[in-house]
Amino acid sequence: AQSVTQPDIHITVSEGASLELRCNYSYGATPYLFWYVQSPGQGLQLLLKYFSGDTLVQGIKGFEAEFKRSQSSFNLRKPSVHWSDAAEYFCAVLVGNEKLTFGTGTRLTIIP
Amino acid sequence: DVKVTQSSRYLVKRTGEKVFLECVQDMDHENMFWYRQDPGLGLRLIYFSYDVKMKEKGDIPEGYSVSREKKERFSLILESASTNQTSMYLCASRSDRATYNEQFFGPGTRLTVL
Repeated sequence: AQSVTQPDIHITVSEGASLELRCNYSYGATPYLFWYVQSPGQGLQLLLKYFSGDTLVQGIKGFEAEFKRSQSSFNLRKPSVHWSDAAEYFCAVLVGNEKLTFGTGTRLTIIP
Repeated sequence: DVKVTQSSRYLVKRTGEKVFLECVQDMDHENMFWYRQDPGLGLRLIYFSYDVKMKEKGDIPEGYSVSREKKERFSLILESASTNQTSMYLCASRSDRATYNEQFFGPGTRLTVL
């Protein structure tokens, strides 16, 4: 069965530092992968998605993610975080063109 | 911009009450979804609908039902609320018009069952 693992429950980063959030998936076919962000008290907003082609995907708010088939990973990166990036981040895989299976999320805290 | 709205941001109900959570989207999307979000468990799919009057069970449908009488509206029903249904409920919609299109989420309803 398909699954998504986000091994880091909580990450703390200093403002201006680089960020990498990990995501590993288990899925038999070609995965279609997403990263969503949830700011406090808000719904989920799409940061970026990967379907095919270039394995480095650019998203909104300065985020990017790299698909690595050999490692079954789709890690999210940002070169320099801002205090407004504090949120919860969810990785997801699309199953059967219908359902999204989500990871358990990583909560990001930014310290001054 | 797509807008997905949910009828309440916060809701407090008593055990055994019938609870209705409403979701409305304004972009003529064919697909609508209900998730619940719990700490450490991420989002789990309760039900989804790909057309009016159509519904499919998700991963955790027990204790819930849904209704989709109009394309823009998707209701989640708790027939007899229980304390283990205290959670954040998120609605989402998605268009069929583009392959592998994203889901758009509402702001969520935080339900507390006492």
